[in-house]
Amino acid sequence: KNEVEQSPQNLTAQEGEFITINCSYSVGISALHWLQQHPGGGIVSLFMLSSGKKKHGRLIATINIQEKHSSLHITASHPRDSAVYICAVEAGSQGNLIFGKGTKLSVKP
Amino acid sequence: ETGVTQSPTHLIKTRGQQVTLRCSSQSGHNTVSWYQQALGQGPQFIFQYYREEENGRGNFPPRFSGLQFPNYSSELNVNALELDDSALYLCASSSGLGMYNEQFFGPGTRLTVL
Repeated sequence: KNEVEQSPQNLTAQEGEFITINCSYSVGISALHWLQQHPGGGIVSLFMLSSGKKKHGRLIATINIQEKHSSLHITASHPRDSAVYICAVEAGSQGNLIFGKGTKLSVKP
Repeated sequence: ETGVTQSPTHLIKTRGQQVTLRCSSQSGHNTVSWYQQALGQGPQFIFQYYREEENGRGNFPPRFSGLQFPNYSSELNVNALELDDSALYLCASSSGLGMYNEQFFGPGTRLTVL
C-alpha cells in the first residue's frame, strides 16, 4: 500500500464546476504539499500546510492531521486548471517528499 | 532572481551507458533534492544534498550518485543504465532543510533508455 493515496485518479469536469481532490496518508508528517504538474513535466507548488486551511484565489487546501487526510478544492473551475494535481508529504527531518500518484484533472469548456 | 533550471531537457541513451543530468538551483538555495518520475506515477525521492553533502537517500541503487558544487548546482549521475531508468528526472531546490523551506522544482530532464 502506498504511503500517500489520492482520489480520484482521473477527473473530468465542466467549466464552472466545484472540484475536490482527496489525499490520505499513512505516516506521521511535518507538512503536506499540493503541487500542480502540467504536460511536459514542470511542477509548481500550490500549497504547503501543516494544519487548518489555506486559500489562494480559487484554490483552497485543507488538512485534518488526526484523520491523516487533506483535500484540494477548486472553485469555478476553468479549462486552464487542467493538469495533474499531486499530493506530497514530508515525513522525514530533511524535507524530502513522498508523493502520491497524482490526479489528472480535465476541465471541459 | 532565476528559477531552477535543468539540462538537458531530453536525452536518449542505450542500456549500459552512463548519463549525467544537471540542475542549477534557484539563487540563494543551498539544498537540492532529486526525484525520478516514471510515466503515470508520482515522483520518487532519489537523494538530497545540503551544502555539498548527501543528506538523505531514497531506495535507489548505488549506481545512482550525485554531487553538489560550491555554487550549490548539482549533478545526478546514473551508471549502467537500465530500461527501467527511463523517466522524468526532477530536481528541486530550497533555502534549507525541513518543512519551513518550500521546494522549487525545475522543468525536468526526460531520459529515454533504449
